[in-house]
Amino acid sequence: KAGVTQTPRYLIKTRGQQVTLSCSPISGHRSVSWYQQTPGQGLQFLFEYFSETQRNKGNFPGRFSGRQFSNSRSEMNVSTLELGDSALYLCASSLSPGNSYEQYFGPGTRLTVT
Amino acid sequence: AQSVAQPEDQVNVAEGNPLTVKCTYSVSGNPYLFWYVQYPNRGLQFLLKYITGDNLVKGSYGFEAEFNKSQTSFHLKKPSALVSDSALYFCAVRDGSYNKLIFGAGTRLAVHP
Repeated sequence: KAGVTQTPRYLIKTRGQQVTLSCSPISGHRSVSWYQQTPGQGLQFLFEYFSETQRNKGNFPGRFSGRQFSNSRSEMNVSTLELGDSALYLCASSLSPGNSYEQYFGPGTRLTVT
Repeated sequence: AQSVAQPEDQVNVAEGNPLTVKCTYSVSGNPYLFWYVQYPNRGLQFLLKYITGDNLVKGSYGFEAEFNKSQTSFHLKKPSALVSDSALYFCAVRDGSYNKLIFGAGTRLAVHP
């Protein structure tokens, strides 16, 4: 079974631009979560989607948004990019939001903002 | 609020020796605990989880973890370390009923030949 895939793997953008990152979960997985990883802040939760609905959102500004499609694929968008948005963005999928289900992570998208 | 602490930034072990990577947690209610490993330029790989039941949890690649409720700890262990185990290890706790994981800062494991 194929793992979680994320596209693109690497991205370079300029301050003020916007970016869209894509995540395809493991087949059959319906829950998708996004995380930001930086050297200074570590791994931080961005948001969680299940059945096309955002169930939870982390402490990030409104410039960070996301959505989930009927096939469980998810996208996240960052508008008006800032230098501090440079990070590895990780997507994770699980069968459902239940407590016993572990999350499986994709390889991430490395975003560099110049 | 739920939190996880990994008190060691780095752990150094000789190949063939046992290894322990420490994790302590603070949660309200039942803890749902996880260990992940990250190799350079890769995402996180799931190693094992504690949901309920036996305090000794066995996971992938020969790793196991011991859940200790009285000490609020969930240390990762392996009887005999391999050089290929060198990586960044994260302990995490699930936040409530959501699929939100709260991660520790990570511990870099270096296994020397």
